[in-house]
Amino acid sequence: GAGVSQSPSNKVTEKGKDVELRCDPISGHTALYWYRQSLGQGLEFLIYFQGNSAPDKSGLPSDRFSAERTGGSVSTLTIQRTQQEDSAVYLCASSLAAGGPNEQFFGPGTRLTVL
Amino acid sequence: AQTVTQSQPEMSVQEAETVTLSCTYDTSESDYYLFWYKQPPSRQMILVIRQEAYKQQNATENRFSVNFQKAAKSFSLKISDSQLGDAAMYFCAYRSKSRGSQGNLIFGKGTKLSVKP
Repeated sequence: GAGVSQSPSNKVTEKGKDVELRCDPISGHTALYWYRQSLGQGLEFLIYFQGNSAPDKSGLPSDRFSAERTGGSVSTLTIQRTQQEDSAVYLCASSLAAGGPNEQFFGPGTRLTVL
Repeated sequence: AQTVTQSQPEMSVQEAETVTLSCTYDTSESDYYLFWYKQPPSRQMILVIRQEAYKQQNATENRFSVNFQKAAKSFSLKISDSQLGDAAMYFCAYRSKSRGSQGNLIFGKGTKLSVKP
């Protein structure tokens, strides 16, 4: 079927506004990952979902970041009161299951620019 | 904690030639996965090749092969007969196999590969 899709492709927002980034994983994939790619930090892991639950949220950069996954499918990453340091590409990946030999398939990412 | 280091921010290769991208990692685990991902300007990360640590044989996928040196914690990628379409950012990544792992990838900072016609 279709690959991992993310929306929007690009988002420009003003400092202090809230944004929602969406990830639609490959159908049947139970594991879903969010990563952030920024010039200064490279690629960093944010959060992982197995089904609807996220067992560990410690990778989220601050309490302004939250994520949820409903129905074991679509996930949204919400950033409240955006700051300029939040500017980055946010990548989502999904796999059949967590770990093991399962390949993570990536979406095209959302480029977030905070002015 | 595991870390991945790519010491070459940029590399360049002539079309049809061979290039090797370096990657070293640090871990106390004995079994894990190592990956090379390609990221073209479209931003889509594409898996190039995968290696399981307990397998001594180096992985190969067509023109792409790795030199996996477990004791040295080194995992280099060799691209043979380079093509213009190989131009991209290449990321080396580690994934733990430990029981409590979430299966997330730990990435190096990447190597930007240019291919000259």
